[in-house]
Amino acid sequence: NAGVTQTPKFQVLKTGQSMTLQCAQDMNHEYMSWYRQDPGMGLRLIHYSVGAGITDQGEVPNGYNVSRSTTEDFPLRLLSAAPSQTSVYFCASSYGNLRNEKLFFGSGTQLSVL
Amino acid sequence: DAKTTQPPSMDCAEGRAANLPCNHSTISGNEYVYWYRQIHSQGPQYIIHGLKNNETNEMASLIITEDRKSSTLILPHATLRDTAVYYCIVSVGYGNKLVFGAGTILRVKS
Repeated sequence: NAGVTQTPKFQVLKTGQSMTLQCAQDMNHEYMSWYRQDPGMGLRLIHYSVGAGITDQGEVPNGYNVSRSTTEDFPLRLLSAAPSQTSVYFCASSYGNLRNEKLFFGSGTQLSVL
Repeated sequence: DAKTTQPPSMDCAEGRAANLPCNHSTISGNEYVYWYRQIHSQGPQYIIHGLKNNETNEMASLIITEDRKSSTLILPHATLRDTAVYYCIVSVGYGNKLVFGAGTILRVKS
């Protein structure tokens, strides 16, 4: 199993450009989520999904869109990138809907918006 | 979710036990204590979690006080590869909704 795979690893955007960060998992996990991590800080939840076709907002959802058309994939879209979105983005997944589930994280995407 | 307090940094000698404390005085009865770590700039890695009993796995032990207001993560024989940021998280939310604070930077030194 590859686990949680994120692409690209690095990306530089200009203000106003759009792009999609990809996240895929091969563990048949129902739950997937996106976090961002700014320098020296902990992770903050952007959006999450409890299964295909179902998404919800986390702590910092503004400026980001998500969709979940398949169990495996959970892309994060930036419609009009802003310098404030410069961050490292992590995708995570977990198997089910129990409070004792553990999260599996991808290796991250480092995004710079100029 | 209850708030946690961790020391910003700690040092530990290689081969010794690393004891990382976490205070969560406002924890409620149905909240779990989770520990994750982040090595350099990699994605966080799950270590262990518990509700009220002490827990042990191949990576670490988790000691939760009887009143559940604090806990300690124990790495029994720290190595240089254990140098990382360790996050203590208390949450009633499901796995995907964990909130990560600033954590404790653990430096293991030879």
